[in-house]
This record gives sequence, structure tokens and C-alpha cells, in this order.
Amino acid sequence: DAGVTQSPTHLIKTRGQQVTLRCSPKSGHDTVSWYQQALGQGPQFIFQYYEEEERQRGNFPDRFSGHQFPNYSSELNVNALLLGDSALYLCASSFPGGYNEQFFGPGTRLTVL
Amino acid sequence: GIQVEQSPPDLILQEGANSTLRCNFSDSVNNLQWFHQNPWGQLINLFYIPSGTKQNGRLSATTVATERYSLLYISSSQTTDSGVYFCAVATGNQFYFGTGTSLTVIP
Repeated sequence: DAGVTQSPTHLIKTRGQQVTLRCSPKSGHDTVSWYQQALGQGPQFIFQYYEEEERQRGNFPDRFSGHQFPNYSSELNVNALLLGDSALYLCASSFPGGYNEQFFGPGTRLTVL
Repeated sequence: GIQVEQSPPDLILQEGANSTLRCNFSDSVNNLQWFHQNPWGQLINLFYIPSGTKQNGRLSATTVATERYSLLYISSSQTTDSGVYFCAVATGNQFYFGTGTSLTVIP
């Protein structure tokens, strides 16, 4: 049973650039959520996708956008990168509904110089 | 949003000792999970426990939803238990994480 996968593992970008991170959910799951984890902090919810629609969004600017594909995989896009966007980006998958257990991928570590 | 507070923030134990980690949350939730984050950043599911008590080997957890807290018990700790432990709660479709408890187990 394949777990949640994310790519790439690490990424280095410069300020002002754009980045795309990718996530494939655990087999059987159709809901994908994205989180940002700054050093020494707990993960912060960015948004959740279900049925190719953004279903809920946390307190993040519009520079953060996403997409979900028909096979349930998802992308996180961040435009106009800032130094403060440097973080570990985590993807989680689940069945629909916040009451369902979430499973996390290994994360993508983004460094913005 | 929901406030999630974890205590203690840091914990240092001798191998073989027992410990209790606490998670308080500020509102009713429909999900509560405990995670262990390893040094590489991977969040490992420990318990899915919106209410009640569960046990898995040396670990157990109890959630008292009506009083808005959850406890994670680690018995006979091992060096491999070191890392950060997070509590996360959900209301609707959004998860809220605490700031974690950093556990160091020394041999």
C-alpha cells in the first residue's frame, strides 16, 4: 500500500521566483491538504482540496495556490517567493471530512535565498 | 480558529523512564491525532483518538473531549522515542497543530 509521496525532496529558489510542489495521496484517499512548517513551529494549514476544488483555506495569501487532478494528486504553487516562505511543506491525504485520519508525506524542504 | 496548547514544551528523560504529554484545545473538535515527527521531518501517525483511550505497545493515549484535553503516555522510553510530538485537532475540514513537545531520551 503506497503511502503519501511528495516531490521534490529539497528545493532552493531565489526571492521573486515561483515554485511548484507535488503530492500523490495514499491509495484510496481523495482529499489532499497542504501545510507549511517553519523551523521550530507546528505545521500551519494552507488549504484542502477535494473533488478538484479548494474546499477550505487557512490564513495564507493568494500567492499560495493549488490544484487537484482527476487522479487526486495535487500541486501547491507559490508565486513571488519571499525569504519567509522558507519552510518544510507537508502534504496530507485522507478520506473526505475533517473527522477522518490524516496521513502525511515526507515533505518538501524549500529554501528561498 | 482553535487554540492548541501542548505541555511541556521540552522534556529530557533517562532511558526506561515514563512520561505524560498533554494537549489542551479551546473548542469542540471532530478529530484529534497524535504524531511523532522524526529528525527528517516525517510525521508518523501515533493515534487517531477523538475520544476515549487507545494503546499501542508502550504508547497509550486518552482524550476527554468534554474537558478539551488529550494525554499521550510513553512508558519505558527508548532513545528511538526522541523527537517532537504533535497534537493536532480538526474542526470542520481544517486541522490545527500545537507547537509540540520536544522529547530527548538519553541512554
